[in-house]
Amino acid sequence: KNEVEQSPQNLTAQEGEFITINCSYSVGISALHWLQQHPGGGIVSLFMLSSGKKKHGRLIATINIQEKHSSLHITASHPRDSAVYICAVVSGGNQFYFGTGTSLTVIP
Amino acid sequence: NAGVTQTPKFQVLKTGQSMTLQCAQDMNHEYMSWYRQDPGMGLRLIHYSVGAGITDQGEVPNGYNVSRSTTEDFPLRLLSAAPSQTSVYFCASSYTPGGWNEQFFGPGTRLTVL
Repeated sequence: KNEVEQSPQNLTAQEGEFITINCSYSVGISALHWLQQHPGGGIVSLFMLSSGKKKHGRLIATINIQEKHSSLHITASHPRDSAVYICAVVSGGNQFYFGTGTSLTVIP
Repeated sequence: NAGVTQTPKFQVLKTGQSMTLQCAQDMNHEYMSWYRQDPGMGLRLIHYSVGAGITDQGEVPNGYNVSRSTTEDFPLRLLSAAPSQTSVYFCASSYTPGGWNEQFFGPGTRLTVL
């Protein structure tokens, strides 16, 4: 069973395009995280959300608790945004469940 | 701060061998966790700890042991390695449990079991 589903699995965009990555989950959660995994394998945290919307630079994350859905938006995409973006939810206190990731390639 | 460190970076084991993957953090974080990442499956939680002396199982704990004798260290032990444990292992930490804080990840250990 997959508690977290992401779409699309793969995404190719031209530099400057607006990008949306979607995350749907099936369990009750206390928080949702968006992570970025670089081509070299390192993982960094982008956002932690429990409600509403957060913005950091060109990145925007939103969550709709009632619909069990979150989106990650990248405005004015750049080749350095090329990475795998991972959605993770926290359920039952300390249990993390992860999506399989969205592989983004931004072409100059 | 070094953040979250993991050793070794790469390891090859034979079936049945044992080993310990090391994880340390210098940020005084309460919560530490171990994940494995397999192609097409995403990260999966193996074990976690909410403080020194307190550990609990995650989604895929079988074949792995952990202990947390200090706040800084959270080693992961493979008692008898199996080919199914071939994976990339990540350690992570956060200031408090409950998923309310940013997760800091180590660089990962790539383990191959022959």
